[in-house]
Amino acid sequence: GQQVMQIPQYQHVQEGEDFTTYCNSSTTLSNIQWYKQRPGGHPVFLIQLVKSGEVKKQKRLTFQFGEAKKNSSLHITATQTTDVGTYFCAGGGNYGGATNKLIFGTGTLLAVQP
Amino acid sequence: SAVISQKPSRDICQRGTSLTIQCQVDSQVTMMFWYRQQPGQSLTLIATANQGSEATYESGFVIDKFPISRPNLTFSTLTVSNMSPEDSSIYLCSVAGGLHSYGYTFGSGTRLTVV
Repeated sequence: GQQVMQIPQYQHVQEGEDFTTYCNSSTTLSNIQWYKQRPGGHPVFLIQLVKSGEVKKQKRLTFQFGEAKKNSSLHITATQTTDVGTYFCAGGGNYGGATNKLIFGTGTLLAVQP
Repeated sequence: SAVISQKPSRDICQRGTSLTIQCQVDSQVTMMFWYRQQPGQSLTLIATANQGSEATYESGFVIDKFPISRPNLTFSTLTVSNMSPEDSSIYLCSVAGGLHSYGYTFGSGTRLTVV
C-alpha cells in the first residue's frame, strides 16, 4: 500500500538552531500537506504544496515539494520553544479512486531546549 | 475553516463493551474522515464517511468493528465495538478544507483506554 515516511523520527535542538524534516512517498502525490501537532493536541494544518518543485515560506518555515512530487521537506530557521511538537507531512493522491484521502507520514518529533 | 466539536474527549471502558464517538461540524461538509492515532504514532485513516451512503473503510478496518453513521452533512459517529485493550488509542474525526483552505480540520480527539 501507499507509504509516506519521514526522517528523522526525533530531533532535539538547542533554541536558535535550524531544523529540517524530510518526507518521502512510495507513490507520486497530487499534493503534499504539512501539519503540526503539539503535545496533547490535534494536528493543525500548516500549508499545502501542489506544483512540482514548489517552495513556500511562512515566516521561519520553508516548505519544498520535490520535482518528482514524491518527496518534500520542512525547514525551520532559528527554532524557538514554541516550535515544539510533531510535524507530519500528509500526501494527497488518487488512492483507489478516492481523491480526497490523505495518507499521513510517520512524523518527526521536535524538541527544543531553551 | 470548519469548527468540529468531538466528544467524549476521553473515556475508560471495559473490554467487550462499545463506545460511540460523536463529531458535530459547524458547517455542511460532504466527506468526514475518521482517524486513529496510537500513542506516539502517526494517524491511520479508518474510513471515509459520506452522507447518505455506506462508509468506505481502509484495509484492516471493518464495518462490524467500527460502524459509522452519517445521518446528515454536519454530523457523524464512529462506534468502537467489542473493545479490547488493543483498541486503546486516540480517535479523531476530520473534514477537508472549504473553498478558502485546503487543509483538513480535526476534532480535538477522543482518548480511549480499554481495561
